[in-house]
Amino acid sequence: KQEVTQIPAALSVPEGENLVLNCSFTDSAIYNLQWFRQDPGKGLTSLLLIQSSQREQTSGRLNASLDKSSGRSTLYIAASQPGDSATYLCAARAGGYNKLIFGAGTRLAVHP
Amino acid sequence: DARVTQTPRDKVTEMGQEVTMRCQPILGHNTVFWYRQTMMQGLELLAYFRNRAPLDDSGMPKDRFSAEMPDATLATLKIQPSEPRDSAVYFCASGLGGGTGELFFGEGSRLTVL
Repeated sequence: KQEVTQIPAALSVPEGENLVLNCSFTDSAIYNLQWFRQDPGKGLTSLLLIQSSQREQTSGRLNASLDKSSGRSTLYIAASQPGDSATYLCAARAGGYNKLIFGAGTRLAVHP
Repeated sequence: DARVTQTPRDKVTEMGQEVTMRCQPILGHNTVFWYRQTMMQGLELLAYFRNRAPLDDSGMPKDRFSAEMPDATLATLKIQPSEPRDSAVYFCASGLGGGTGELFFGEGSRLTVL
């Protein structure tokens, strides 16, 4: 059974810092891994999708990497801004029916 | 701007009442997921449809929950009878393909059962 874990659960940083959010999964036989952002009271916004054959994806200040063999993905946020404050969730697509299994999320606060 | 649309956005009801939540997937998407989000459990998968056929509803309490796709533009999640423990935000997501595509989420339906 696929389990997804995110560390840390919460993170508070000053504006301008580069930061790394971690995601680990127990079953390396994944199809892809997707990173989402969720603002309070809102839905999930897709940030990056990494297919199992890829090592990383980049979008603006965001870079996500995937290491299937070690069961890990990281989301790197460069030059963080207060507007980056949100909960970041990773989800692994795996299993016979390609279910998307979510981690519990990392709650990020970037203060001015 | 293509997006997943969910109704209602907020619903307050009394225990024992029937609740129906609706989802309009992005036009052309052939996979639909229903998730439930609570503070304690996070995001839990309830049901999964591909080409309108239910593939997996193992995460859904069968005695009171049911999920259907009457047509390609509408997915429904029904709870009958509702209980206070059903209070949560219910999300619908849609995507393309057999399983490697990106998923797009709606804004969610916040359900409160008194």
